[in-house]
Amino acid sequence: GENVEQHPSTLSVQEGDSAVIKCTYSDSASNYFPWYKQELGKGPQLIIDIRSNVGEKKDQRIAVTLNKTAKHFSLHITETQPEDSAVYFCAASLSGSARQLTFGSGTQLTVLP
Amino acid sequence: ETGVTQTPRHLVMGMTNKKSLKCEQHLGHNAMYWYKQSAKKPLELMFVYSLEERVENNSVPSRFSPECPNSSHLFLHLHTLQPEDSALYLCASSQEVLGGYEQYFGPGTRLTVT
Repeated sequence: GENVEQHPSTLSVQEGDSAVIKCTYSDSASNYFPWYKQELGKGPQLIIDIRSNVGEKKDQRIAVTLNKTAKHFSLHITETQPEDSAVYFCAASLSGSARQLTFGSGTQLTVLP
Repeated sequence: ETGVTQTPRHLVMGMTNKKSLKCEQHLGHNAMYWYKQSAKKPLELMFVYSLEERVENNSVPSRFSPECPNSSHLFLHLHTLQPEDSALYLCASSQEVLGGYEQYFGPGTRLTVT
């Protein structure tokens, strides 16, 4: 089955700096890669996703890049703000179905004021 | 709010108790999921109900029993749990159509087994 590894497990940045979280996946057939943000006391919320036919996608301060050859994808957050502090999860989907999502172990991002 | 609600939000139960977790989605989706979230571990998919088909993770112990009476409601029945079952239990839903990848999560039930 699919295996997703996520690094780092914790990340602290100064407000205004950029944050990068990286994930690798094992199954080259995976074709959908979402990122979820989980705030304290809440469930994960989708913040951005990318499909295998695209190399990069941006949404305001958030961007995701995908390297299918190397089987890794990354989340980039620019101009970080304290409200970006949360746990971020990457995931990969085999067969393109939501039911096949395999999640990484999460990154605790802390933005220091 | 994501349109997925879970009750109760917190539950403490003894190992001999029987309890149920409830999930309801108001999004018109046709697939629902139960996940277990333990500290420092990836989300673990426990069960999926999609288009009236049930898919389960074979590693989930039989002391967890799901029920999906219709496409909007999902239950997780718990009995004779162990302390290691203490975790956050998340419900999610999605629309199972071509390209319908996004899962919407509820806030979770924090379960403590004593």
